[in-house]
Amino acid sequence: RKEVEQDPGPFNVPEGATVAFNCTYSNSASQSFFWYRQDCRKEPKLLMSVYSSGNEDGRFTAQLNRASQYISLLIRDSKLSDSATYLCVVNMGKLIFGQGTELSVKP
Amino acid sequence: GAVVSQHPSWVICKSGTSVKIECRSLDFQATTMFWYRQFPKQSLMLMATSNEGSKATYEQGVEKDKFLINHASLTLSTLTVTSAHPEDSSFYICSARDPRGNNEKLFFGSGTQLSVL
Repeated sequence: RKEVEQDPGPFNVPEGATVAFNCTYSNSASQSFFWYRQDCRKEPKLLMSVYSSGNEDGRFTAQLNRASQYISLLIRDSKLSDSATYLCVVNMGKLIFGQGTELSVKP
Repeated sequence: GAVVSQHPSWVICKSGTSVKIECRSLDFQATTMFWYRQFPKQSLMLMATSNEGSKATYEQGVEKDKFLINHASLTLSTLTVTSAHPEDSSFYICSARDPRGNNEKLFFGSGTQLSVL
């Protein structure tokens, strides 16, 4: 089993749609969790940290379920500019990246 | 915010040559830097942790004689791909933590696309 596993994607959605990404992790002792965004051939950029209480930043909402070892990212009212690969990242003493889920938002 | 500079952005080289990639922290001192490799449609894979003034820590399966890491100062780490071959073609990214703030966040260089012919 992979240490961090994400939905395979790609997700092709129209503008304005709501889309959700899921991620599971194997190590129950994991300390912290993040969502990064990566554009093609570019470096990953931190989108948001994920807290047990859940957190929201504009159109983006992240949730963490430690009991199920599950993280999610919800994007509401998706924009063309949201097209990218979304990486689930788990701190297990070192940062472990999921393989990423590709999102393509169409007009 | 903290800035990490990586150079060069892309390299095309012949098989058998060595390629050096530089990673600099521009406005903070980084005692530790991280080197990742990413193949197309795959995740970032940690190759090694670069420690200032001491030997790098390599992940399992990464050849230390193939991927030479030098972290001679608090702002510079280099990765040298020795005798590069086509299978080494990949996207290499460095990162560092800014010790002044939340120590969990990583700041990434812009990456180096290596193509070995």
